[in-house]
Formats: sequence, C-alpha cells, structure tokens
Amino acid sequence: NAGVMQNPRHLVRRRGQEARLRCSPMKGHSHVYWYRQLPEEGLKFMVYLQKENIIDESGMPKERFSAEFPKEGPSILRIQQVVRGDSAAYFCASSPRTGGNEQFFGPGTRLTVL
Amino acid sequence: QKEVEQDPGPLSVPEGAIVSLNCTYSNSAFQYFMWYRQYSRKGPELLMYTYSSGNKEDGRFTAQVDKSSKYISLFIRDSQPSDSATYLCAMSPTGANSKLTFGKGITLSVRP
Repeated sequence: NAGVMQNPRHLVRRRGQEARLRCSPMKGHSHVYWYRQLPEEGLKFMVYLQKENIIDESGMPKERFSAEFPKEGPSILRIQQVVRGDSAAYFCASSPRTGGNEQFFGPGTRLTVL
Repeated sequence: QKEVEQDPGPLSVPEGAIVSLNCTYSNSAFQYFMWYRQYSRKGPELLMYTYSSGNKEDGRFTAQVDKSSKYISLFIRDSQPSDSATYLCAMSPTGANSKLTFGKGITLSVRP
C-alpha cells in the first residue's frame, strides 16, 4: 500500500529555468494539497486540487506558479522562471474525501535554485 | 498575531522524561487539530488527529484540545531517542476546504 509519492526528491535549477514537481496521491485519494516549507519556516499551504479542478489556490504566488491534477496521471506543481527565493522543500499531501482533514504527506521535493 | 503559535524550542530532555508540546491559535473556526512528526529531510508523518475539544490517547502519545482557551497539547510519555524529531501542530476548520494551518514546529532531542 504505497504512500504519497513525489518526484524528483531533489531538483536543482538555475535562475530563469522551469521546475516541475510531481505528486501521486495514495491509492483511493482524490484530493491533493501542495505545501511549501522554507528554511526556518513552517509549512505553508499553496493549493488544493481535486481531479481536473483547482479548489483553492489562495496560497499560490500570483505569478510564475501553477498547479494541475489531470484526470489521468500525477498532480504537477510548475514554477516558471525560478528565482533563488523559490528554493524550498515542496510537500504534497493527499486525502480520501472532501473535508478530509487527515492529510498524508509525501517525502517532498527539495528545490535548489542556483 | 499569527493564526497558530508554537513554542520555538529547541527542547532537550533525558530518555524516559515526559514531554509536553503546546500550540495556541486565534481562529475560532478551527475544529480539527493534528500533530505531525517530521524527521530531518523527511515528510511530515501524521501522529494524532482530534476533532473539537477533548483528549485522545495512542500508546505513549496523548493529544489534548481546549477550545475555550484555544490551546492544544501533545504529551509524550517515556520518551525515547527515536522520538527526536520536529513536531508540528496543524489545524483546520470544518467544511469542504480543509487546508491545514501549521505552527512553525519545535525540535525535540531525547538524550540517551
């Protein structure tokens, strides 16, 4: 029974490049959340998606960041034209239902922007 | 005022000690309360999950919620070196949008 899977685990990009982070939720889970953890900061909510729908993107920066959860395949968090301030650990969590406050986290993707 | 405040730590205790970790919050809409454990460079692991006020016990761990004081606690009995990790409190309101609001976390070290 695999947990939440994220890849890559580590990603290095130069300023101006694009970063794509992938998340496969736990089997049977159709709700995906993305969080960001900056050094010395707590986890901050970014976006909540269900299959083919963005439910809440109130935590997403207005520019350069986008997320999707297609009908088939993993959820993708995309960061265009990365800057050094984007360096952080990005975590995906999944939940089996609406109002699913029990969220199970993946191992994270650690993004380093050079 | 931040929505969720957590003692910054770090906290160091001897093996076998009782550990008390606490968070306060300001948003009275929070109804679900969770504690996560995060080992270095790993993802958060859900430890305890409670709804509204009351206590919940699971092995050596006890979670308490006092909504009247907007205060939650996690107690660890007979602490072990393997409990050394960062502990994060998290909470959310009821309803369809259940994004979690986290405390900053406290790093616990249990000395053998």
